[in-house]
Amino acid sequence: LAKTTQPISMDSYEGQEVNITCSHNNIATNDYITWYQQFPSQGPRFIIQGYKTKVTNEVASLFIPADRKSSTLSLPRVSLSDTAVYYCLVGDIRGDYGGATNKLIFGTGTLLAVQP
Amino acid sequence: GAVVSQHPSRVICKSGTSVKIECRSLDFQATTMFWYRQFPKQSLMLMATSNEGSKATYEQGVEKDKFLINHASLTLSTLTVTSAHPEDSSFYICSASDLPEDSDNYGYTFGSGTRLTVV
Repeated sequence: LAKTTQPISMDSYEGQEVNITCSHNNIATNDYITWYQQFPSQGPRFIIQGYKTKVTNEVASLFIPADRKSSTLSLPRVSLSDTAVYYCLVGDIRGDYGGATNKLIFGTGTLLAVQP
Repeated sequence: GAVVSQHPSRVICKSGTSVKIECRSLDFQATTMFWYRQFPKQSLMLMATSNEGSKATYEQGVEKDKFLINHASLTLSTLTVTSAHPEDSSFYICSASDLPEDSDNYGYTFGSGTRLTVV
C-alpha cells in the first residue's frame, strides 16, 4: 500500500476554507484515495473518495492532479465541529467481487483545530 | 449507508482476565473485517485481518495467542484480549468492507470503537 504524508496539524478559524494536502508518490494504478475524519474516542468516518480529477459531495471536495501523486481535501467554511483528525489513505480496495479485502494502513493524520 | 456496530463501547477489567469485543455488520455481509488499536494521540494501528471461516491474519508484532479473533459468520467478528494487562489498555476499533452498491464508497466502514481499561 502506498505510504502517505500529511501535515501533522493545521489551524483555522470558523468560516474559512481549509485545504489539507496529502502526498502519495508511490500510488499504484488500482489505488483509490479515501479521506476519513476521526473525533476523539470514535471510529473514523468516511468523508470522500476519488480516483482522479475532482470529486465533490455535500461535505467536502477532493482534488487529484493528473499524476495522482498527491490529493487535497477541501473543507468549505469550517465550523468548530470540524475540529478532528483527518486521515488520507490510498489502496486498491475494490476487490474482485466488489467487497474490499485489502487492508487500510493509517498514516499520522492531520489534526485540524478550528478556532472561533 | 453501511453500519458497523461495536460492543461494548467501554469496558474495565481486572488484570489477568479476558475481555471479548464484538463487531457486527448490521446491514451487509462482510467476509473480511479488520481490527485496529489506537493509543492516545496516535494513529490507528492495524492488528489483524479477520476472515470469515478461516484463521485471522495478524500483523507483525501482534501476538495471536493474546488477541484471539473469531469470524464465525458473515456479520460477526470477535476480538478477545486474553490475560489482559494494563499495557493492553487502549482504544480498539473494527472495520468491515461492504459491497459498493450498498454504500457511497468503495471500501470500509468503521465501528465506534471500544475503550478498554485494564486495572
